[in-house]
Amino acid sequence: DVKVTQSSRYLVKRTGEKVFLECVQDMDHENMFWYRQDPGLGLRLIYFSYDVKMKEKGDIPEGYSVSREKKERFSLILESASTNQTSMYLCASLSGGFPYEQYFGPGTRLTVT
Amino acid sequence: QKEVEQNSGPLSVPEGAIASLNCTYSDRGSQSFFWYRQYSGKSPELIMFIYSNGDKEDGRFTAQLNKASQYVSLLIRDSQPSDSATYLCAVSEYGNKLVFGAGTILRVKS
Repeated sequence: DVKVTQSSRYLVKRTGEKVFLECVQDMDHENMFWYRQDPGLGLRLIYFSYDVKMKEKGDIPEGYSVSREKKERFSLILESASTNQTSMYLCASLSGGFPYEQYFGPGTRLTVT
Repeated sequence: QKEVEQNSGPLSVPEGAIASLNCTYSDRGSQSFFWYRQYSGKSPELIMFIYSNGDKEDGRFTAQLNKASQYVSLLIRDSQPSDSATYLCAVSEYGNKLVFGAGTILRVKS
């Protein structure tokens, strides 16, 4: 079974702090994704990576950056956390073949106060 | 901006009935279509995918696709209380990036 893990289930940070969210997958997938999920807005893509050290902006990259130094690990960085970044953050990894299923991690509920 | 629209619900159906969930998408170049189920407090899990016009059946689930109308639906037969969840429609053009709808809340009443 594919396993995607995230470093924390719940996180509380203060405004202005630098926040690291980590995601690890164990299936040697090349593509990994970071989403945030907010009520009524669904999942919105922040960044994705299609290979080590490769990244592309998603639909809402402002205020975020990412790092992919190893294939299995994809990190999301909030450079200076703000209250409007309070959200559920979901990491996903993509299977290499059809039907290109995305496997999600358990999510991190981040609260910025 | 590519968009995927779903009725937010909640859609309430009695146990044993057919639940019908609908989704429209804006990008005519979309090739693959997915339905994810998300229980409260959990992450999404894939339950169905479809890529050609027509119907695809898997157990109690049937996905229907009409590319001309840019419309995807999910039918759940013999609905059970355990089907109560949020159902997310997702659409892909190239098979890697997905665009998600906001989801439809389904409540199955016993």
